[in-house]
Amino acid sequence: GAVVSQHPSWVICKSGTSVKIECRSLDFQATTMFWYRQFPKQSLMLMATSNEGSKATYEQGVEKDKFLINHASLTLSTLTVTSAHPEDSSFYICSALPTGSRREGYGYTFGSGTRLTVV
Amino acid sequence: GDSVTQMEGPVTLSEEAFLTINCTYTATGYPSLFWYVQYPGEGLQLLLKATKADDKGSNKGFEATYRKETTSFHLEKGSVQVSDSAVYFCALTPNQAGTALIFGKGTTLSVSS
Repeated sequence: GAVVSQHPSWVICKSGTSVKIECRSLDFQATTMFWYRQFPKQSLMLMATSNEGSKATYEQGVEKDKFLINHASLTLSTLTVTSAHPEDSSFYICSALPTGSRREGYGYTFGSGTRLTVV
Repeated sequence: GDSVTQMEGPVTLSEEAFLTINCTYTATGYPSLFWYVQYPGEGLQLLLKATKADDKGSNKGFEATYRKETTSFHLEKGSVQVSDSAVYFCALTPNQAGTALIFGKGTTLSVSS
């Protein structure tokens, strides 16, 4: 089946530094990838939608200059948290949608998530 | 906009008990409906889905039926196991190609032996 690899699974960084999270589709091509953020005991909040070769579409309230998303190939999207602060600590999850997926939604595959802790 | 509402947890059950987690949705058109499961420290796994009214999704003993008349997609299992302990998310995707899933807040299930 479709597999999405997300790396790293956890990271601790100092306040003010930047962290890059990779989301890679291993056995399929993904035109569209989604980035979510999950706070403890809460639901997943969509941060942005990235389409290969174009700029990401950010949800309202998400700072695009802080959360840089790059989707340069059909198998890789990256999320870079720039100048991280403790309030950015969270669980980040990516999801990939294979190319040619039918609009019924078949094929959303999630990475295993990245636990970011900013100290 | 489209949204998903699911029952607040946590739900605490004994092994072999019957499980129901309620989920209702608001959407224009004909969304596809999903249940995802998240084990501690992990990402989400698709549990089951339904793409049109009256469809029944099923997997690993879990079932949910797409009820358009009541805009519901309740998750049921006849006999839960300790290994079913996890967080369950109801979700929908609007009837548009390439759009993101919209999730409910999640329901934590704890099953004891």
